[in-house]
Amino acid sequence: DAGVIQSPRHEVTEMGQEVTLRCKPISGHDYLFWYRQTMMRGLELLIYFNNNVPIDDSGMPEDRFSAKMPNASFSTLKIQPSEPRDSAVYFCASSFGTDEQYFGPGTRLTVT
Amino acid sequence: QKEVEQNSGPLSVPEGAIASLNCTYSDRVSQSFFWYRQYSGKSPELIMSIYSNGDKEDGRFTAQLNKASQYVSLLIRDSQPSDSATYLCAVNTNTDKLIFGTGTRLQVFP
Repeated sequence: DAGVIQSPRHEVTEMGQEVTLRCKPISGHDYLFWYRQTMMRGLELLIYFNNNVPIDDSGMPEDRFSAKMPNASFSTLKIQPSEPRDSAVYFCASSFGTDEQYFGPGTRLTVT
Repeated sequence: QKEVEQNSGPLSVPEGAIASLNCTYSDRVSQSFFWYRQYSGKSPELIMSIYSNGDKEDGRFTAQLNKASQYVSLLIRDSQPSDSATYLCAVNTNTDKLIFGTGTRLQVFP
């Protein structure tokens, strides 16, 4: 199994630009999670989906953030417009059921 | 009060020693507990899960759970420099979500 796949691995963009992060979960997993990790705040859950349906987006910091999961094998996290404080590593994780989550390699986002 | 608490470290141990990493949680209904290892610049990697009181061993790793004391620990026997990483404790509080601690940085020196 290829594991959770994320793209791009690194993204550098200017403030105000739109950023789209992509995730392909492990085949057969029914949960997908988006996290953000910074030194200051640690690992934060942004949003998660069950069977492609968003269940809890209470961790999404602002309306600038949105996430979709159009099918079982693809999800996107979009930031529009991006700001320097959005700079972080964004992880996607998936699980079968609610327990053991497996993380992708992450996308390191830098907003200048 | 934080839901999952860990000492940030660093915890420094000599090669070959036992490293003991600790985690406390606040929600008594928590059912599932996990340890993740995260190397610098990498993603968290699941190394242990434990669901019932007592010890669970996997190679050099032993997870210990005490639900009465709301305490979960990870022991690493015969620590190696390659074990140097941040260890994240995660707890499932009977929801769909895992609550992560901030992690303990472990340093194993030769």
